[in-house]
Amino acid sequence: DAGVIQSPRHEVTEMGQEVTLRCKPISGHNSLFWYRQTMMRGLELLIYFNNNVPIDDSGMPEDRFSAKMPNASFSTLKIQPSEPRDSAVYFCASSWDRVWEKLFFGSGTQLSVL
Amino acid sequence: GENVEQHPSTLSVQEGDSAVIKCTYSDSASNYFPWYKQELGKRPQLIIDIRSNVGEKKDQRIAVTLNKTAKHFSLHITETQPEDSAVYFCAAMETRYDKVIFGPGTSLSVIP
Repeated sequence: DAGVIQSPRHEVTEMGQEVTLRCKPISGHNSLFWYRQTMMRGLELLIYFNNNVPIDDSGMPEDRFSAKMPNASFSTLKIQPSEPRDSAVYFCASSWDRVWEKLFFGSGTQLSVL
Repeated sequence: GENVEQHPSTLSVQEGDSAVIKCTYSDSASNYFPWYKQELGKRPQLIIDIRSNVGEKKDQRIAVTLNKTAKHFSLHITETQPEDSAVYFCAAMETRYDKVIFGPGTSLSVIP
């Protein structure tokens, strides 16, 4: 298995533009997580899916952020409109059915909003 | 919800010395405590975890201890090596939604 695959690896965009981050979890994993990492706030959980259903989105900063998981092998995190303060590394992670199993992280997307 | 604190934020040790990172958590119902290592520019990776039914777990040069009464847990690295240099995150599982909450991280530097 290639592990959790995220795209793009780097994204540079201008303020106000729409940004879409993509994630393919490890085949067979039922839980998927989106984290944001910044120097100031560390690793923040944005949203968590189990069996493609959003379980907890209390970490999503505001309505500009949305996430979907249309099937077991794909998820997106969308920011519209983007702002400079959204600049961060966004990680997707997946695990087996129960969250207290090991989290496998993707390589992350480095987002820069100018 | 769960809140995880971690100390120190930075730590420098000489190669061969031991390193200790300490964490506290707020949710007394939390029962799973993993530790992740993130090398510069890389993804976080699990290095060890402990569940609430044990007080200590070892894996070669790393060990984790848990004090549920005090809501403390610690990572111990012995005989440190330069490749141990990284950011280490402790975490605790919040029981309301079964989600893992991370501490702010400790940047460990092992000086050759």
